[in-house]
Amino acid sequence: DTAVSQTPKYLVTQMGNDKSIKCEQNLGHDTMYWYKQDSKKFLKIMFSYNNKELIINETVPNRFSPKSPDKAHLNLHINSLELGDSAVYFCASSQQGAKETQYFGPGTRLLVL
Amino acid sequence: GENVEQHPSTLSVQEGDSAVIKCTYSDSASNYFPWYKQELGKRPQLIIDIRSNVGEKKDQRIAVTLNKTAKHFSLHITETQPEDSAVYFCAANMNTGFQKLVFGTGTRLLVSP
Repeated sequence: DTAVSQTPKYLVTQMGNDKSIKCEQNLGHDTMYWYKQDSKKFLKIMFSYNNKELIINETVPNRFSPKSPDKAHLNLHINSLELGDSAVYFCASSQQGAKETQYFGPGTRLLVL
Repeated sequence: GENVEQHPSTLSVQEGDSAVIKCTYSDSASNYFPWYKQELGKRPQLIIDIRSNVGEKKDQRIAVTLNKTAKHFSLHITETQPEDSAVYFCAANMNTGFQKLVFGTGTRLLVSP
């Protein structure tokens, strides 16, 4: 069974469109994250949810809106996509925040044309 | 500030040689230091981690050392193999309210047969 899964794996879209990425974890973890990995491979945290509550919101444009319907799911909706949003987006989960191992999903490769 | 510096950015070794990657961190309250390996097109995966109550940890060909006083930690890979070729990331948890992992900028390791 896949521990952390994301859909879709690839996303190609036009500038100005709205898109969503879904993430699910079956590890029973209480904390979930969204990371952005740019073309230089830098991994930066965007958001963190603990027990469905938003706890970390880095300097991310408000076009990005995460939603956690329950502890096992964390979705990312992006409005008005821009060229600079092109990146790989990774979902991750852990138990008890950043003191424990974070398990990453397979990533969603977003290309904005 | 929240910062993890990682060196070198690229490292080329011959099969069988050792490889060392070094990281320094800024937050003296950091107490968890994982290392992730990311193969091309794949997700980051934890290979080893260390907590602040120990100075060294070893797992087969991989070892990590931690110097809390100097705020640096290192990854050591012995008897490198071509399948060790990947990008390696260090990380440290930052105690900013709710902890988060801050990642280094990555080291691209190439092991030549």
